[in-house]
Amino acid sequence: ETGVTQTPRHLVMGMTNKKSLKCEQHLGHNAMYWYKQSAKKPLELMFVYSLEERVENNSVPSRFSPECPNSSHLFLHLHTLQPEDSALYLCASSQDWRGERETQYFGPGTRLLVL
Amino acid sequence: DQQVKQNSPSLSVQEGRISILNCDYTNSMFDYFLWYKKYPAEGPTFLISISSIKDKNEDGRFTVFLNKSAKHLSLHIVPSQPGDSAVYFCATKDGGSQGNLIFGKGTKLSVKP
Repeated sequence: ETGVTQTPRHLVMGMTNKKSLKCEQHLGHNAMYWYKQSAKKPLELMFVYSLEERVENNSVPSRFSPECPNSSHLFLHLHTLQPEDSALYLCASSQDWRGERETQYFGPGTRLLVL
Repeated sequence: DQQVKQNSPSLSVQEGRISILNCDYTNSMFDYFLWYKKYPAEGPTFLISISSIKDKNEDGRFTVFLNKSAKHLSLHIVPSQPGDSAVYFCATKDGGSQGNLIFGKGTKLSVKP
């Protein structure tokens, strides 16, 4: 596989469920990101990891819990979500988080529906 | 308040004609801009970028123009092709947060045969 992959591609969950989103990058990058895209809103950065260390947490509710076990894998653990959390969740990676001219490469996203 | 604005949610263009997608930003300190393209059921893919030391960058059919005094950039696609139909996002780097990207809401381009 090449690029950035995400699983599952679609997820339906109840408000009391616990689920996890998985992202894997095959580009040898050092930085990984979680974004949320809600309908008619810009992509919103949620978390940034650089060399497996969380460097940004943009006031995201604690019901979203990221995990980065190594530089190739990133997880987003979900628990007790709300219907308004339904959105497209995108993972991205870049060579270096601090690079001024870094390009981020995105996965296909997980379409989440919370009932 | 949005720092990157794409005021046209959609644009329809005839095949072979020019597509012009616009983007405005609020902070004159932003100095690097990117355009991403997104097809349905796929993640955004990087298209072209421009640094503030330039006012134009060209890559094949795609050209990005930057007007720093107006805090405005535009993406020109010439000639437009039906395969260009997608959502186009303008983005800039947030200098205060190092590598973080700030995105616009996107413009949906439809190129009709």
